[in-house]
Amino acid sequence: AQSVTQPDIHITVSEGASLELRCNYSYGATPYLFWYVQSPGQGLQLLLKYFSGDTLVQGIKGFEAEFKRSQSSFNLRKPSVHWSDAAEYFCAVRDTGFQKLVFGTGTRLLVSP
Amino acid sequence: GAGVSQSPRYKVAKRGQDVALRCDPISGHVSLFWYQQALGQGPEFLTYFQNEAQLDKSGLPSDRFFAERPEGSVSTLKIQRTQQEDSAVYLCASSSSGASGYEQYFGPGTRLTVT
Repeated sequence: AQSVTQPDIHITVSEGASLELRCNYSYGATPYLFWYVQSPGQGLQLLLKYFSGDTLVQGIKGFEAEFKRSQSSFNLRKPSVHWSDAAEYFCAVRDTGFQKLVFGTGTRLLVSP
Repeated sequence: GAGVSQSPRYKVAKRGQDVALRCDPISGHVSLFWYQQALGQGPEFLTYFQNEAQLDKSGLPSDRFFAERPEGSVSTLKIQRTQQEDSAVYLCASSSSGASGYEQYFGPGTRLTVT
């Protein structure tokens, strides 16, 4: 079965500093990978996705992620964090045999002034 | 355009009561998904519809959980004889057909609290 690991439960970053959130997946073939953000009381908003092609993908709100097959990773990055980025971030992989998404447990981002 | 909507946004039920949660997907979206998100956890898949057909219900935790989408649009998730462990946020998502259908668009969720 596919699985997604987000090793960091909480991360605190100073406003203006760079950010990297880690995601590792377990899947035999090339996966379809996603990053979602969830603000308190809100649903999930798609930040970016990787299906194939260029391994560096750009998303909304200045986020990017890089797919590294050799490391089974899909880490999310942002060069300069804003206070409004404080939220919960979820990495997910789509089960290509089916349609469902398999999510990690999330990383809560705190932004300090 | 309008996104995925869910109602009610909050539901408090006494243990043993039945509840019904509604999802209105994005118009024209073929696929509809239900996920359960426990406190401090990532969403977990419950069930999936393609039009009115329920193609995957492998994530439903027990036979107390039942979902339907009779006309291929609005969906209802029903939980019978609610238990405390059913307390969670229930998320609905929809996606279109074809390659772009890999993206799932989520609603705001229904927070169910069973007392």
